[in-house]
Amino acid sequence: EAQVTQNPRYLITVTGKKLTVTCSQNMNHEYMSWYRQDPGLGLRQIYYSMNVEVTDKGDVPEGYKVSRKEKRNFPLILESPSPNQTSLYFCASSLNPPGSGSYGYTFGSGTRLTVV
Amino acid sequence: GENVEQHPSTLSVQEGDSAVIKCTYSDSASNYFPWYKQELGKRPQLIIDIRSNVGEKKDQRIAVTLNKTAKHFSLHITETQPEDSAVYFCAARYYGNNRLAFGKGNQVVVIP
Repeated sequence: EAQVTQNPRYLITVTGKKLTVTCSQNMNHEYMSWYRQDPGLGLRQIYYSMNVEVTDKGDVPEGYKVSRKEKRNFPLILESPSPNQTSLYFCASSLNPPGSGSYGYTFGSGTRLTVV
Repeated sequence: GENVEQHPSTLSVQEGDSAVIKCTYSDSASNYFPWYKQELGKRPQLIIDIRSNVGEKKDQRIAVTLNKTAKHFSLHITETQPEDSAVYFCAARYYGNNRLAFGKGNQVVVIP
């Protein structure tokens, strides 16, 4: 089944403790992206990747890191999480960049992160 | 950068009536406009999209219209059903940098 898999689904952590949210897709998509969803703010892009070893900042990259060493994986790293990073996170992938003949994003199931 | 605004933020409709959600965008060079539906507790899913060389696109009970002059596009849902209750996000592609800007979302409630 074609899908984007995120882990974990739920995570509660403490301020300053490094964490990684994993994202993997099995559709050979080139484009991958991370979004955070907060009430009243919609979906805001954190980072995106056009292909292996090609990543770039979105609208809200502060406090996050990403890597794209393999085509299928795009982990989101929080080196020193803070309470303002408490949010619902979505990984998304598409065959091509948005609008470039692709069929739109396939989103993962989401990761609800709470930083206390 | 691109700025996308959605109106109204919440829309309640009687089952069977039509619902219309409007989005405005700021970058006149934007050329791709998708709509995503997010049911409660679920992931967003693409329901329809339109490119700037097309004025209207339909898929069964949903349609999207684009007015490039006024820089707005709208989602139309006809014969609404309870399963249409969800948050709907519009988005516009930033021209030239391969990113999507999302609006803040519209809560649509279909009253049986």
